[in-house]
Amino acid sequence: KQEVTQIPAALSVPEGENLVLNCSFTDSAIYNLQWFRQDPGKGLTSLLLIQSSQREQTSGRLNASLDKSSGRSTLYIAASQPGDSATYLCAVRGSSASKIIFGSGTRLSIRP
Amino acid sequence: NAGVTQTPKFQVLKTGQSMTLQCAQDMNHEYMSWYRQDPGMGLRLIHYSVGAGITDQGEVPNGYNVSRSTTEDFPLRLLSAAPSQTSVYFCASSPGRLAGDSNEQFFGPGTRLTVL
Repeated sequence: KQEVTQIPAALSVPEGENLVLNCSFTDSAIYNLQWFRQDPGKGLTSLLLIQSSQREQTSGRLNASLDKSSGRSTLYIAASQPGDSATYLCAVRGSSASKIIFGSGTRLSIRP
Repeated sequence: NAGVTQTPKFQVLKTGQSMTLQCAQDMNHEYMSWYRQDPGMGLRLIHYSVGAGITDQGEVPNGYNVSRSTTEDFPLRLLSAAPSQTSVYFCASSPGRLAGDSNEQFFGPGTRLTVL
């Protein structure tokens, strides 16, 4: 049974810092991994999708990496801004391709 | 495209009442899913569908029914609401098998349900 873990549960850093959010999963046979952002009281916005054959994806100040063999993904945020404050969730699509399991998220706060 | 739409946005029920949460997508996606989100627990999969007429259980299916009579719609039914079902419910869709491992999931805005 696939389990997805995100550590830390909460993170607070000053503006301008580079930071890394972690996601680990127990079953390395995955189709893809997707990172989402969720603002308080809102829905989920897709940030990046990494296919099983890829090792990283980049979008602007965001870079996500994937290491299937170790069951890990990281989301790197460069030059953080107060507007980056949100909860970040990773979601793993298993080898059956139809089921997706979420981590419990990292609540990020960027201090001005 | 409207994407994934959900109705209602908010709902208050009394214990034992029934209701249906509506979800629709206009992207001709094959896969659709329902999740619930509780504080500190992330999103948990309730039921999912890989095409019209095909549904399956997720992590927390008890107390919920689904059906998929069309590609566009995937309603979630609560037959007898309980306070433990107070949560935020999200519907999602993704293209399906033909997208291979670039099968990206899109979410609706959510329904906030309170059961008294």
